Amino acid sequence: TQLLEQSPQFLSIQEGENLTVYCNSSSVFSSLQWYRQEPGEGPVLLVTVVTGGEVKKLKRLTFQFGDARKDSSLHITAAQPGDTGLYLCAGDAGANNLFFGTGTRLTVIP
Amino acid sequence: KAGVTQTPRYLIKTRGQQVTLSCSPISGHRSVSWYQQTPGQGLQFLFEYFSETQRNKGNFPGRFSGRQFSNSRSEMNVSTLELGDSALYLCASTRDQGTDTQYFGPGTRLTVL
Repeated sequence: TQLLEQSPQFLSIQEGENLTVYCNSSSVFSSLQWYRQEPGEGPVLLVTVVTGGEVKKLKRLTFQFGDARKDSSLHITAAQPGDTGLYLCAGDAGANNLFFGTGTRLTVIP
Repeated sequence: KAGVTQTPRYLIKTRGQQVTLSCSPISGHRSVSWYQQTPGQGLQFLFEYFSETQRNKGNFPGRFSGRQFSNSRSEMNVSTLELGDSALYLCASTRDQGTDTQYFGPGTRLTVL
């Protein structure tokens, strides 16, 4: 059974702090995606990582895919209140079937 | 370009009833996937339709079914509702199969009393 575990489950930090969210799997995925979901909305894709060891940057967000393509991390620098939301990693299980992680709920306090 | 729309946004039903949810994909998208999101289980894949055919199915009981129309709009149906079916039901559309980006709708919040 595929399992994507995210840690931490909850994170509350002050504005300006840095943070890292982890996504660990027991399976290898062909690609891994990170989403952010805000209350009352569906998840919105932030990035897709495909190659083992790949690092992608999106402004203050840095995403890394593990060499073995089984884990990933999301690092946010100088967090802002607008970063508040539910962060989800998702592995591509094929045929438009995304296998989602357990989620990390981030709150950035002004 | 309009995004994925889902109707209704909120729904309250009682145990034993059935419900039909609707999803209109982004224009030109032919694949629609459905997901169930609950606090305990997170986001779980229900099924995916492409060109009116169910291509993939998650691990849900037969009470959960769906269909897709020739205009790519999709519906999902849940029969004999149970309390545990209370969830946010999300659909996502994709241009085609493969690793195209999935665009999610805002979801339908179903509450079963």
